Amino acid sequence: KAGVTQTPRYLIKTRGQQVTLSCSPISGHRSVSWYQQTPGQGLQFLFEYFSETQRNKGNFPGRFSGRQFSNSRSEMNVSTLELGDSALYLCATGGQGENGELFFGEGSRLTVL
Amino acid sequence: GNSVTQMEGPVTLSEEAFLTINCTYTATGYPSLFWYVQYPGEGLQLLLKATKADDKGSNKGFEATYRKETTSFHLEKGSVQVSDSAVYFCALSSKGGSNYKLTFGKGTLLTVNP
Repeated sequence: KAGVTQTPRYLIKTRGQQVTLSCSPISGHRSVSWYQQTPGQGLQFLFEYFSETQRNKGNFPGRFSGRQFSNSRSEMNVSTLELGDSALYLCATGGQGENGELFFGEGSRLTVL
Repeated sequence: GNSVTQMEGPVTLSEEAFLTINCTYTATGYPSLFWYVQYPGEGLQLLLKATKADDKGSNKGFEATYRKETTSFHLEKGSVQVSDSAVYFCALSSKGGSNYKLTFGKGTLLTVNP
């Protein structure tokens, strides 16, 4: 089956701008989670969506938001970008019968200048 | 709250050496435990998992045993290869909550030299 697809793979923005990242899950997976990966903080949980509802949220400011569509595709948005938002943003999807295993995309690498 | 502590490395080994990466956790209840691997330029892939105490997860020559008494899930491999060079993450998910929220350790960079 096709894997988790994230777009865009790379992007460069300037401070104050906003960005939208997209994630298409594995067919049949209804849970989509987002993680931020940085050298200093490692992998940090942003939020999880299931059936278009946010089910869990990490400890990030309100500038970070997300949503999930009826086809389970998800987007995350970061507004008023700061230099510290430069990171690899990973999307992970899961489904029933996967025993809690998450399947990760290759990530979207965001650089804020 | 939940937390995972793993040796941060970097770890540098020669081919065919024995590998151990330590991982301990703090969690309420009985979490599921995972090792994920990230190869350069790629996302994370599940390496192995264990869902209850004394379970042993294994894959590609790697093994880890869920030790409830020591709250540990150490990763081991008897003979590493150059192709094992990657970053390894220990992670847990708590039962009772969402199975899809993982808490990760900071990762251990492994470099295997020929």
